[in-house]
Amino acid sequence: EADIYQTPRYLVIGTGKKITLECSQTMGHDKMYWYQQDPGMELHLIHYSYGVNSTEKGDLSSESTVSRIRTEHFPLTLESARPSHTSQYLCASSDPRQGGNQPQHFGDGTRLSIL
Amino acid sequence: SQQGEEDPQALSIQEGENATMNCSYKTSINNLQWYRQNSGRGLVHLILIRSNEREKHSGRLRVTLDTSKKSSSLLITASRAADTASYFCATDASQNFVFGPGTRLSVLP
Repeated sequence: EADIYQTPRYLVIGTGKKITLECSQTMGHDKMYWYQQDPGMELHLIHYSYGVNSTEKGDLSSESTVSRIRTEHFPLTLESARPSHTSQYLCASSDPRQGGNQPQHFGDGTRLSIL
Repeated sequence: SQQGEEDPQALSIQEGENATMNCSYKTSINNLQWYRQNSGRGLVHLILIRSNEREKHSGRLRVTLDTSKKSSSLLITASRAADTASYFCATDASQNFVFGPGTRLSVLP
């Protein structure tokens, strides 16, 4: 199994709260990603990063923000959670130094429920 | 519209049977990947096939790629209950991979 960790696994929280979803990887991968996935549905890329101090928006517009201060750490923040943010959030990483689009290693996700 | 789309959406078979899932895409690709997702877990990479390859094997998995038809298939032979999962194809038409909606496979004991 890949060494990429997400915390918390589950989070139930009230509307208006600030939330940070943590993602860490120990593989030294430069490229990292955040996906949003509703149950039984496809993954939508919401953020990605090429490395330290790099953050890009993905294909799906999201009110969340990300930061990349260290290679191994790529947290996602929601400043004011709303029920529409209820979903599963998956973090992934890959090693672009191997060339091209390499396989992604995924964490087990955070299942977020906003009441 | 989606770059990659799996077919069927759901598949139910008996243990020991073969399972075939298909993926169609719209634009030219450099490579295509297949992933598995068990319930409540992240995705696990299964196999990558490059645009200049036609077939690739890994254990009980066989992947084919037909770039003229813009389609790929994933065959799981001699299925087991543990193969029950969702299977996604991912294509790299852009600088990032785009995932299809997946095929939900149920293997009944």
